[in-house]
Formats: sequence, structure tokens, C-alpha cells
Amino acid sequence: AQTVTQSQPEMSVQEAETVTLSCTYDTSESDYYLFWYKQPPSRQMILVIRQEAYKQQNATENRFSVNFQKAAKSFSLKISDSQLGDAAMYFCAYRRSNSGYALNFGKGTSLLVTP
Amino acid sequence: DTEVTQTPKHLVMGMTNKKSLKCEQHMGHRAMYWYKQKAKKPPELMFVYSYEKLSINESVPSRFSPECPNSSLLNLHLHALQPEDSALYLCASSLRQTVTQETQYFGPGTRLLVL
Repeated sequence: AQTVTQSQPEMSVQEAETVTLSCTYDTSESDYYLFWYKQPPSRQMILVIRQEAYKQQNATENRFSVNFQKAAKSFSLKISDSQLGDAAMYFCAYRRSNSGYALNFGKGTSLLVTP
Repeated sequence: DTEVTQTPKHLVMGMTNKKSLKCEQHMGHRAMYWYKQKAKKPPELMFVYSYEKLSINESVPSRFSPECPNSSLLNLHLHALQPEDSALYLCASSLRQTVTQETQYFGPGTRLLVL
């Protein structure tokens, strides 16, 4: 079974600063997908960024970028220029590439953004 | 458009009631999912429908019964629930037609309270 570990239950960042959320995973597969989802207090799960394991280039979406280290099985999320609206629970998730598989989520990191 | 809708938003039911949760998407996605999320925990997969065929998480009690009337609709029928079933129920969908289109998009959830 694939496991996803988020070792930081809570993180805090000041507005406009940069913060990095860590995620490691365990798998024997060579082809898979990794995701970061954001869940604000409204509890809607919102996709932040996605990385395909076969791509060496790190994914970037505006202020969000990842540091994907396949050999180390590490997938950290960097949020630049943090905004108050970034405050949320962030879940790292793993998915096998074949059809029929659901997301395996980490336990989440609660991000607090202070003015 | 990446919208998944869920109704109702909130539901309170007694342990002898029968109710249903509804999920709908019009993105042409061929895979739909039900997740259960307890407070401060990650979502846990309950059911997957892929091309209208059901895959069951065998740990889910039979008091939860999914139904997929067509490729756009996914229902979750509830009967004789227990108070510990109180949670946020999330529906998600994904395209599932090519390996590059595996992102799951989530609905806003139904917050269920069982008394």
C-alpha cells in the first residue's frame, strides 16, 4: 500500500513571505501522480497543483510550486508571497497511474497566515 | 468548467431514517467517487464508479449504498446510520480517459449529522 506522510501538522507564515510544506511518500510504482489539495474552512477541496512522476520538471502554478525529488520520494509545496486567503488545510495526495485507483491522502498540514 | 455539485449541503437524520445524497457533474467525466471525511482527518475513499461500474471499499458498512443512474449522477443512499457516521461526505469526479487526465475534482460536500 502507498503511504503519504506530512510531518508538519501546523505551519505559520507571515503575509507576503514564503513557506514550504513537506510531503514524503512510499511506493514501489514507477508511474504515478502527486497532488496538493487545499481545504479552507468552507471545506471544499480545491486542487492546487499536480505533478506527473514521469516528468522531471517541477510543476508551477502562479505562486505555488513544487520540489519533486523522485529518488527521495519527496514532494514539497512552496507558497510564495503568501496571502491571507492561503490559510487552509493542505493535503498531499498520491495516485497510481492506472485507472480505478483513488487518492491516498496525507494527514494534512494546517497553514496559518498572519498579517 | 470543473464543477461538481452536491445536494444537500447539510443533512440531519435520525438513526431510523432513510435519506440520499446526490452528486452531479457535467464535465463528461467517466469516474466518480464518494469520500468520507471526519473532522481534522483526510478524506477516506468509500466507493468508485468507473464507466458506471462499481468498485467497493470492503470496509464500508452496508448501510451505505451507492447508485450510479448515469455517467453524470452519483447517489449515496443512507439507511440505519449510526452517530459515528456523522462526517463530511465528498463527491469527486475525474475524466479517466487518458493517463494525463487523472485529476479528481471535488464537490463542496454534504455535512451529515446523525442523531
